[in-house]
Amino acid sequence: QKEVEQNSGPLSVPEGAIASLNCTYSDRGSQSFFWYRQYSGKSPELIMSIYSNGDKEDGRFTAQLNKASQYVSLLIRDSQPSDSATYLCAGPPDSGGYQKVTFGTGTKLQVIP
Amino acid sequence: EPEVTQTPSHQVTQMGQEVILRCVPISNHLYFYWYRQILGQKVEFLVSFYNNEISEKSEIFDDQFSVERPDGSNFTLKIRSTKLEDSAMYFCASRKDSPYGYTFGSGTRLTVV
Repeated sequence: QKEVEQNSGPLSVPEGAIASLNCTYSDRGSQSFFWYRQYSGKSPELIMSIYSNGDKEDGRFTAQLNKASQYVSLLIRDSQPSDSATYLCAGPPDSGGYQKVTFGTGTKLQVIP
Repeated sequence: EPEVTQTPSHQVTQMGQEVILRCVPISNHLYFYWYRQILGQKVEFLVSFYNNEISEKSEIFDDQFSVERPDGSNFTLKIRSTKLEDSAMYFCASRKDSPYGYTFGSGTRLTVV
């Protein structure tokens, strides 16, 4: 069973600050991870995917994958109140093609105006 | 932007009744999934569906559950005899191909009374 672990939070940051969200995983062979944002009562929305070691940037979001240490992180620069949500780490996809992913419990982010 | 459509958005049913949750995945996606999320808990995998058959199912997906793709577009989840503990948000998701992340539908909130 592949496990994905997240701190449930809440993580509180002031508006304009950098929010850092972390996720650890159990499977050393994992290749791909995803970050989803979930507003209360809504469905998860894919915001970042990362398939290789290192950093991937998309606007205010940067995903980091460190395979040696088995963690994935998401940095949100210039945090806005609208970023307040639960952030779900998901992965890795199972091998074999069907590739279901396992979700972490999510980290609740609160951006304080 | 293509969407995954789920109906109904909210369903209330009496214990022991059958419910059918409906999903229209994105048309060129190949892999389909049902997940559920009990209030305050993590997003849990139920079943994956590919090439008109179940490719994987979780321990949650027991004989009370079934999935179908009756007409090549709709994708349904049936719960034959609902229990109180089936109360949750049910999400349909689809994916185009490896290694892309899922697109989730807006979910169906199932309340069993």
